Amino acid sequence: LAKTTQPISMDSYEGQEVNITCSHNNIATNDYITWYQQFPSQGPRFIIQGYKTKVTNEVASLFIPADRKSSTLSLPRVSLSDTAVYYCLVGLHSGNTPLVFGKGTRLSVIA
Amino acid sequence: EPEVTQTPSHQVTQMGQEVILRCVPISNHLYFYWYRQILGQKVEFLVSFYNNEISEKSEIFDDQFSVERPDGSNFTLKIRSTKLEDSAMYFCASSEIFSLGPSSYEQYFGPGTRLTVT
Repeated sequence: LAKTTQPISMDSYEGQEVNITCSHNNIATNDYITWYQQFPSQGPRFIIQGYKTKVTNEVASLFIPADRKSSTLSLPRVSLSDTAVYYCLVGLHSGNTPLVFGKGTRLSVIA
Repeated sequence: EPEVTQTPSHQVTQMGQEVILRCVPISNHLYFYWYRQILGQKVEFLVSFYNNEISEKSEIFDDQFSVERPDGSNFTLKIRSTKLEDSAMYFCASSEIFSLGPSSYEQYFGPGTRLTVT
């Protein structure tokens, strides 16, 4: 299982773009990179998943360089409601593979 | 949007008592999971369930724990004799398999049951 490293916490002002980088040096060929978001007292929620290059959806963008040893979650123009813990997960993510969560990055958005 | 539901939202029990936590996964999903999160700590995998049997379980999921899908909609986690250290938020999740397309899927989590053992 690929080990991931991400900052423990980040602060941002409302309206700014936030980039959270995750390192996963021993990512395997078949591994996908997935980000989940967790608000206080709620279950994690899937944000985005990618394998390589760039993926964008209505919530975020995910940038993955060619060597795939890191990835960056980009949240455009954050608001107070984006205050949450963001988890980077790396794994096969198929079938019934359990999700392995790290400590995540606690993002605090300030007015 | 379909969602996973869990009941109760909060359960208080005395040490040594049995508790059953209930979940209703999303209706067309095939895989079901239980995770737990002790206050201030990581989300930890407990067990996965597919085709009416356990697929995988972690070291946490010892003989005190059991899971069941008693009917076509509910998925339960039973703790036979609760301990103080079982106090945590318990999350149920479900997922479906994509038979076509990329090998990827997402797990949908419920809102959790906060279990407090006194």
